[in-house]
Amino acid sequence: QKEVEQNSGPLSVPEGAIASLNCTYSDRVSQSFFWYRQYSGKSPELIMSIYSNGDKEDGRFTAQLNKASQYVSLLIRDSQPSDSATYLCAVKKRGSTLGRLYFGRGTQLTVWP
Amino acid sequence: DTAVSQTPKYLVTQMGNDKSIKCEQNLGHDTMYWYKQDSKKFLKIMFSYNNKELIINETVPNRFSPKSPDKAHLNLHINSLELGDSAVYFCASSFRGGGNEQYFGPGTRLTVT
Repeated sequence: QKEVEQNSGPLSVPEGAIASLNCTYSDRVSQSFFWYRQYSGKSPELIMSIYSNGDKEDGRFTAQLNKASQYVSLLIRDSQPSDSATYLCAVKKRGSTLGRLYFGRGTQLTVWP
Repeated sequence: DTAVSQTPKYLVTQMGNDKSIKCEQNLGHDTMYWYKQDSKKFLKIMFSYNNKELIINETVPNRFSPKSPDKAHLNLHINSLELGDSAVYFCASSFRGGGNEQYFGPGTRLTVT
């Protein structure tokens, strides 16, 4: 079983819609959760971090964490063509070697005008 | 600008050669990482240093040797390059404590011919 799983996509949504990206993780003791955005040919850019159950909002982005279901999601409201990128979910396990993050394979999002 | 920087951005070399990639961060972080992203975009950690001490050493061929002269710099030397080493190599940095949010450099695209 993979540590972190994401639907590879591609996920295609029209401009102005809500894009919903999902991620599940295998280790129940995971403690920190991150969403990175990676444009083609560029480096991963940290856009959201979440550490406790519930929702965390930052502008058009909302991260949702449900530790009981081992599930973390990213919602992008009012999607824009500039949001088209690959979104990587990353998880840090409690007690893991210092700084060890486990990445999913990413979900490719396309927002069409 | 505060950032993580890498040199070179592109590296094209022949099999059997030895090459180095350099990374520097001015974010004041105490932990630095090397990641490899293959053609399928999977991001995998290779090494991590905390205050010049090696703390993560994944299953990586001995041909890869990281060095950290100080907590702001992390270099990667690769001996006897092979075709399979072709990938994008990312440097990242973070603080040891807290949520361990990692920030990535622009990447070095290595092509071995």
